[in-house]
Amino acid sequence: DAGVIQSPRHEVTEMGQEVTLRCKPISGHNSLFWYRQTMMRGLELLIYFNNNVPIDDSGMPEDRFSAKMPNASFSTLKIQPSEPRDSAVYFCASSPERGAPEQFFGPGTRLTVL
Amino acid sequence: DAKTTQPNSMESNEEEPVHLPCNHSTISGTDYIHWYRQLPSQGPEYVIHGLTSNVNNRMASLAIAEDRKSSTLILHRATLRDAAVYYCILIVTDSWGKLQFGAGTQVVVTP
Repeated sequence: DAGVIQSPRHEVTEMGQEVTLRCKPISGHNSLFWYRQTMMRGLELLIYFNNNVPIDDSGMPEDRFSAKMPNASFSTLKIQPSEPRDSAVYFCASSPERGAPEQFFGPGTRLTVL
Repeated sequence: DAKTTQPNSMESNEEEPVHLPCNHSTISGTDYIHWYRQLPSQGPEYVIHGLTSNVNNRMASLAIAEDRKSSTLILHRATLRDAAVYYCILIVTDSWGKLQFGAGTQVVVTP
């Protein structure tokens, strides 16, 4: 099993540009989570999906952030326009079903906004 | 959501046991105790979870106090690979499983 796959692993962009982060969950997993990690705020849950449907997006910081899950094997997190304070490591995680005790995290995407 | 309190850091010698405490005095009867760890430059990794009884798996043991207001993660023989930040997290039964991470405990293992 390849685990959760995220791309790109590193992204450097300039302020104002659109950024799209991608995630492929483990095959057969029904729940998907997006987290962000910064030194100041630690690990924060941004949004999560169950069966491709967004359940709770209250952690999304601003309207500049949006997430989609068009099918069970793909999700995107988009930031438009990006700002320097969006610089962070973004993690995607999946779990087999709602409320499953174990979430499997991807390697993360390190985003730097100049 | 119930909160957890952990020490900022702990140090251990290689091949010695490590006991990581976690206080959760406001835990409710439906909260499961989960532990995750994050190795340097990696995503978090599930370690173990429990409700009331002590739990063992290949990675660690979880000892839960009788009143459930505290728990201890036990690494039986620390290796250099166990150097990581360890997070104690409470999750409500039958919730969506969302994780709320605190600051965790940085474990340093010295050879």
